[in-house]
Amino acid sequence: SQQGEEDPQALSIQEGENATMNCSYKTSINNLQWYRQNSGRGLVHLILIRSNEREKHSGRLRVTLDTSKKSSSLLITASRAADTASYFCATDANAGGTSYGKLTFGQGTILTVHP
Amino acid sequence: ETGVTQSPTHLIKTRGQQVTLRCSSQSGHNTVSWYQQALGQGPQFIFQYYREEENGRGNFPPRFSGLQFPNYSSELNVNALELDDSALYLCASSLGLMRDTEAFFGQGTRLTVV
Repeated sequence: SQQGEEDPQALSIQEGENATMNCSYKTSINNLQWYRQNSGRGLVHLILIRSNEREKHSGRLRVTLDTSKKSSSLLITASRAADTASYFCATDANAGGTSYGKLTFGQGTILTVHP
Repeated sequence: ETGVTQSPTHLIKTRGQQVTLRCSSQSGHNTVSWYQQALGQGPQFIFQYYREEENGRGNFPPRFSGLQFPNYSSELNVNALELDDSALYLCASSLGLMRDTEAFFGQGTRLTVV
């Protein structure tokens, strides 16, 4: 079953604009991660934000996490045509013991950046 | 490139057949997780192997089975294939069972069941 809901399902913007994707989840988490996928191939890890963090930056990426609302957002600034891909959030649930690394993914947002 | 390699890249099988997919993890990584991604969906967790032992399983029937070898490479076996098993199968390797560890994904195996 899918843990999260991602919003929007698809996003179409022009180069240079910012893209914002949202993710909601249901259970207590250790961390939330964002991945990128090109053309149905492998997933590329973008950023990990821990449950005790509220905001994290990596290059043109900015991720926020609100554990009280069980939601996260990914902002890509100054987008490029090469950013065209599917973006997924994934949660690592806080199940204790040796339960780390079993990721639950959302449905994804398809981002299209037009040159 | 993540250093995680999967083979084959594409595969076509007939309903009822059996299939074995392979994953070579990144050097030094002792944990491998397998995911199934249906078209238009996010990946779903199948199971995880840590030091050759299964360490957790998702909501998949027993005909999905796995194996991890002493060099930490891994296999996913699916028996009695069904049409709904058509999907992209992804493996991810990571270092240990530590909290907040990044997983590195392979490029996947695209399985088509006809």
